[in-house]
Amino acid sequence: GAGVSQSPRYKVAKRGQDVALRCDPISGHVSLFWYQQALGQGPEFLTYFQNEAQLDKSGLPSDRFFAERPEGSVSTLKIQRTQQEDSAVYLCASSLARDNIQYFGAGTRLSVL
Amino acid sequence: KQEVTQIPAALSVPEGENLVLNCSFTDSAIYNLQWFRQDPGKGLTSLLLIQSSQREQTSGRLNASLDKSSGRSTLYIAASQPGDSATYLCAVRTEGTSGSRLTFGEGTQLTVNP
Repeated sequence: GAGVSQSPRYKVAKRGQDVALRCDPISGHVSLFWYQQALGQGPEFLTYFQNEAQLDKSGLPSDRFFAERPEGSVSTLKIQRTQQEDSAVYLCASSLARDNIQYFGAGTRLSVL
Repeated sequence: KQEVTQIPAALSVPEGENLVLNCSFTDSAIYNLQWFRQDPGKGLTSLLLIQSSQREQTSGRLNASLDKSSGRSTLYIAASQPGDSATYLCAVRTEGTSGSRLTFGEGTQLTVNP
């Protein structure tokens, strides 16, 4: 596709369940970013990849959050033992390089019950 | 730590009005500043990107200005239309070791009434 694709669009998880969120960036985009957006707030940075290398993971809120991009294309954000405070929209963005405009996907809305 | 503030939080105007959205940031050492639009249930759409060396950028009815030294940016929307209704987000990319990240404001929710 032409844009950033995220799946699933919606995910409902029971507290304690593990979830995996997928991001397909725009083809050829080197940089990939994950953000977390709580209701009524602006997005907050989680982590950044350049190709397959995770260069910045300083925004991950706890060691329950893990992201990977093994082949430098598709990325997965995994949240282990989900908690209610993890409920948010998780946005993925990609760009040609670090300095370029970031193009965002529609996000995955995670609800933890 | 960079902090971004947007004023007002919400704005409701009649169609045809010109309007200004404000964004301020605490650390002036930025690479660039972006304005985004977010529609309900959708991702973010980039509207304008201003590099730190630039003063303004224009696209159609939108004009964004940047005063880096004072830590301020404004987004001017001319002749507003109902289709402009959305949340507008300002984001900065700050110099330093975490220069990859964008720091966002909380947004201005705009409603343009027909």
